[in-house]
Amino acid sequence: QVQLVESGGGVVQPGRSLRLSCAASGFSFSNYAMHWVRQAPGKGLEWVAVIWNDGSKEYYVNSVKGRFTISRDNSKNTLYLQMNSLRGDDTAVYYCARDPGATAAGYFDLWGRGTLVTVSS
Amino acid sequence: DIVMTQSPDSLAVSLGERATFNCKSSQSVLYSSNNNNYLAWYRQKPGQPPKLLIQWASTRESGVPDRFSGSGSGTDFTLTISSLQAEDVAVYYCQQYYSIPYTFGQGTKLEIK
Repeated sequence: QVQLVESGGGVVQPGRSLRLSCAASGFSFSNYAMHWVRQAPGKGLEWVAVIWNDGSKEYYVNSVKGRFTISRDNSKNTLYLQMNSLRGDDTAVYYCARDPGATAAGYFDLWGRGTLVTVSS
Repeated sequence: DIVMTQSPDSLAVSLGERATFNCKSSQSVLYSSNNNNYLAWYRQKPGQPPKLLIQWASTRESGVPDRFSGSGSGTDFTLTISSLQAEDVAVYYCQQYYSIPYTFGQGTKLEIK
């Protein structure tokens, strides 16, 4: 079954760190670029980061540059998002999403169900 | 950054009728070298992740019913549902992938009249 399953969300205090994971199954993970997209409660969608299929390139939205790091382990079919110096406006459901290309066509053809990150003291 | 603006914010349509969603980009998302528009449409049902409907402005994703169609070029785009079904109640988003950061419109909420 082709799917993406996120984990690692939870409640975290401002300034602390959290690591999200996304387990891929049912397709050749190493052939696809992967993204993180987030959605604040009751709000729209915001693209966060992308990583090339081989991990050679990464790009981020300005609001998370220097704080978040996207990475992947193709041997484990897993995507990660390391989030440091978390702020209240990082509160959102974080979705893992597959790109149809190896080097990022830029749209998302498969989505996970998301994991909720709440930044609050 | 390319700003995507959708209209209207909400829409109420009767079952079996046509629903039309508009999306405007702050700059062209048409790549002249390949004549492709870097524009996608997604549907997000309540409590679910988004689902890809249309890529390249007018290409239906595999398995998407043919009542969904996309059109437009450059900066102005339209998603049309030709005959509304109850299962189409959702929020619809457009997204540009012409340049990073990839950006979404604010969404249009579709309800049944």
